[in-house]
Amino acid sequence: GAVVSQHPSRVICKSGTSVKIECRSLDFQATTMFWYRQFPKKSLMLMATSNEGSKATYEQGVEKDKFLINHASLTLSTLTVTSAHPEDSSFYICSARDPQGGEYNEQFFGPGTRLTVL
Amino acid sequence: GQNIDQPTEMTATEGAIVQINCTYQTSGFNGLFWYQQHAGEAPTFLSYNVLDGLEEKGRFSSFLSRSKGYSYLLLKELQMKDSASYLCAASDSNYQLIWGAGTKLIIKP
Repeated sequence: GAVVSQHPSRVICKSGTSVKIECRSLDFQATTMFWYRQFPKKSLMLMATSNEGSKATYEQGVEKDKFLINHASLTLSTLTVTSAHPEDSSFYICSARDPQGGEYNEQFFGPGTRLTVL
Repeated sequence: GQNIDQPTEMTATEGAIVQINCTYQTSGFNGLFWYQQHAGEAPTFLSYNVLDGLEEKGRFSSFLSRSKGYSYLLLKELQMKDSASYLCAASDSNYQLIWGAGTKLIIKP
């Protein structure tokens, strides 16, 4: 199946700093990628849909100035958590659909990034 | 509104069979996905149903009834490595996934 990578896998930062998370589709081109957030023992919460070459579509309640998304190429989307605070600590996961593969139009997930804000 | 319901936690014995149920309400429907997620890892795709009936894939099978807004995931010959959370997700009219909270499956020897 299609492979999605995410970097870094873990990051610890101080409150007030910004953190960038990269999501890459390794063997396919993804015009659309998705960014999720997951709290412990909770399900995935869609934050935004990242569209290559255009602005991301944010879900209700997600601050676009807080969570900056850039989809600069067909294989890379980045999520920047600006001025991070302890409540931003979470597991962030990206996913993408492979328009040429994915028999069921399923989403392929990256391994996730564990963010801890001190 | 859109909603997915599945049990929070289930326990089963190694070698046995377990059925995880999921009910959904969505604006439009373009299929039902099941994903497996081990603790601290990303979800991995298990199955997809868009037509009524049973889809079998090795030890795992998934069933869908569109008229009832109901699906289940059936796991046979349970192994310890099957201990994980199982996420049900329905695709709505915009092909957006609506996720359930997940069912934590605990396998006991």
